[in-house]
Amino acid sequence: GESVGLHLPTLSVQEGDNSIINCAYSNSASDYFIWYKQESGKGPQFIIDIRSNMDKRQGQRVTVLLNKTVKHLSLQIAATQPGDSAVYFCAENLGDYKLSFGAGTTVTVRA
Amino acid sequence: NAGVTQTPKFQVLKTGQSMTLQCAQDMNHEYMSWYRQDPGMGLRLIHYSVGAGITDQGEVPNGYNVSRSTTEDFPLRLLSAAPSQTSVYFCASSYTRQGRGSGANVLTFGAGSRLTVL
Repeated sequence: GESVGLHLPTLSVQEGDNSIINCAYSNSASDYFIWYKQESGKGPQFIIDIRSNMDKRQGQRVTVLLNKTVKHLSLQIAATQPGDSAVYFCAENLGDYKLSFGAGTTVTVRA
Repeated sequence: NAGVTQTPKFQVLKTGQSMTLQCAQDMNHEYMSWYRQDPGMGLRLIHYSVGAGITDQGEVPNGYNVSRSTTEDFPLRLLSAAPSQTSVYFCASSYTRQGRGSGANVLTFGAGSRLTVL
């Protein structure tokens, strides 16, 4: 079936650099996407969302980009900090009260 | 604000035992759901509820039961635990139903319950 997935399971980034986390989706009918951050031992936390009528949305130090042509979603974190170390999930709203999550990317920030 | 509270945080069961994972939210959210998280597989929806007295199945409902007698509580029951149910379980809630394209679909998650079935 169609699902949301992430390109890479792990990402190592130098503190202060920008991070880019990628996500590919296959359901062309999806019109809403969410990024969650999960720190060790905690539940996922909302970071940012984007609707399909947008290409880009910015938050505090984070930007989500949506390319519907190639069905690709990315999360950019500016000036990555040690506190950004976590697992990042993209999620696709399938409607009918269901959210489909990707497998996640583990981001490790090097000092 | 407590948000979403899950108990217990850790539990070890023997195969065939039953137990209930508790979930409570104090945000007056209509929608509540249970996910399980396994290594390399993200989160998979078990059951969900769009309001008191209403429940429905998610992606992986087999072996689990739920009920929603109040807006605040959404317990998850394992009737006869199996090793395949070893996982981390998350309860989540949101303001409104999970319709398409709505910002209200953002889920608030609990801290998780780690279950091991021997």
